[in-house]
Amino acid sequence: GQNIDQPTEMTATEGAIVQINCTYQTSGFNGLFWYQQHAGEAPTFLSYNVLDGLEEKGRFSSFLSRSKGYSYLLLKELQMKDSASYLCAVRDNYGQNFVFGPGTRLSVLP
Amino acid sequence: NAGVTQTPKFQVLKTGQSMTLQCAQDMNHEYMSWYRQDPGMGLRLIHYSVGAGITDQGEVPNGYNVSRSTTEDFPLRLLSAAPSQTSVYFCASSNTGNGANVLTFGAGSRLTVL
Repeated sequence: GQNIDQPTEMTATEGAIVQINCTYQTSGFNGLFWYQQHAGEAPTFLSYNVLDGLEEKGRFSSFLSRSKGYSYLLLKELQMKDSASYLCAVRDNYGQNFVFGPGTRLSVLP
Repeated sequence: NAGVTQTPKFQVLKTGQSMTLQCAQDMNHEYMSWYRQDPGMGLRLIHYSVGAGITDQGEVPNGYNVSRSTTEDFPLRLLSAAPSQTSVYFCASSNTGNGANVLTFGAGSRLTVL
């Protein structure tokens, strides 16, 4: 079966660091993706991991452990504009289709 | 470069009516897909296509039809709308083959079925 879990909601303070976890159990794996989605808008791509380890991209980093079926998205120096939903998604073995988690709604408070 | 264009942005239907959500991309992507997004359930795959003339079912295909006559266009048809199809629909496309092949999403279509 396909199952991806993320916390439903998180709250953090402007300027702080927040870690959003994602665990997955899927029948195949060909990459893990993080997307950001502001309310009423389309998801936009943030990061991609296919090998174990940390990928850093400015204030955002993403980590993957394939043996543990685990990933996290790390957001540093939080800004108000980071208030959004963050979607974890796994691409299947054939490299075509994605399975999305339910998303984590992050609220950044002043 | 327009990316992925979806129309209409909003639509209200009565139960039993039919309609087509349009999706077009200008990035020459082979892969195109339709998702629906409902509160607390994430994005769920309805149908997808890996090239012109090829379509396949995703996780929740019932009540929907698709066709892919050209690389650019991938319309989604609701045959007889039901209240359970009230949702936000996203079209997305990507390259295929090796590499990240990131999904690019359209702006979404909010559908209400009364």
